[in-house]
Amino acid sequence: DAGITQSPRHKVTETGTPVTLRCHQTENHRYMYWYRQDPGHGLRLIHYSYGVKDTDKGEVSDGYSVSRSKTEDFLLTLESATSSQTSVYFCAISEGTGTGNEQFFGPGTRLTVL
Amino acid sequence: QQQVKQSPQSLIVQKGGISIINCAYENTAFDYFPWYQQFPGKGPALLIAIRPDVSEKKEGRFTISFNKSAKQFSLHIMDSQPGDSATYFCAATMRGGTSYGKLTFGQGTILTVHP
Repeated sequence: DAGITQSPRHKVTETGTPVTLRCHQTENHRYMYWYRQDPGHGLRLIHYSYGVKDTDKGEVSDGYSVSRSKTEDFLLTLESATSSQTSVYFCAISEGTGTGNEQFFGPGTRLTVL
Repeated sequence: QQQVKQSPQSLIVQKGGISIINCAYENTAFDYFPWYQQFPGKGPALLIAIRPDVSEKKEGRFTISFNKSAKQFSLHIMDSQPGDSATYFCAATMRGGTSYGKLTFGQGTILTVHP
């Protein structure tokens, strides 16, 4: 398995509170992604990073921010959590973006916003 | 806008049967089409992938069929086994350039293979 860990693995929080999810990789891959998985929607890209301090928005970025100060860590922050952000969040990494450069996914974080 | 549509949402087959999952895409700039397999409580894992310059790719019991003119591709699982029971996602992306490998996923298909 690719060396990807996510923390926490489970979190329950209340509406309006800030939440930070962490993705840590030991593969030294350049590209990192945050997806959310919801029934009927598959996985949707929230934000991605193409290098340290280089990030950009994905398909569903509203209400989320990210930071990448080191190659190995990619943080996802919910500034003020809402019930619509209850979801399973997956981090993914990739060495490159050309053909054959597979995205490897972490184990996921289940977030419940009450 | 959902750019990749996947069907069916769920599929039940008997052991030894053929499982078929279909996907259709809209963006003709997509040039790489992976399929991911996900078991409960785990992250998705790459199963097989195809580029649009070939019409079929086979790896063991798994085959992708690709129809560029129809903008459709499908996953066929031959001799389906109970261990194949999982959720399957098709995806599409534009490799290289400024797309940074961003994946657009289908909605997912829950496959159940009965013994």
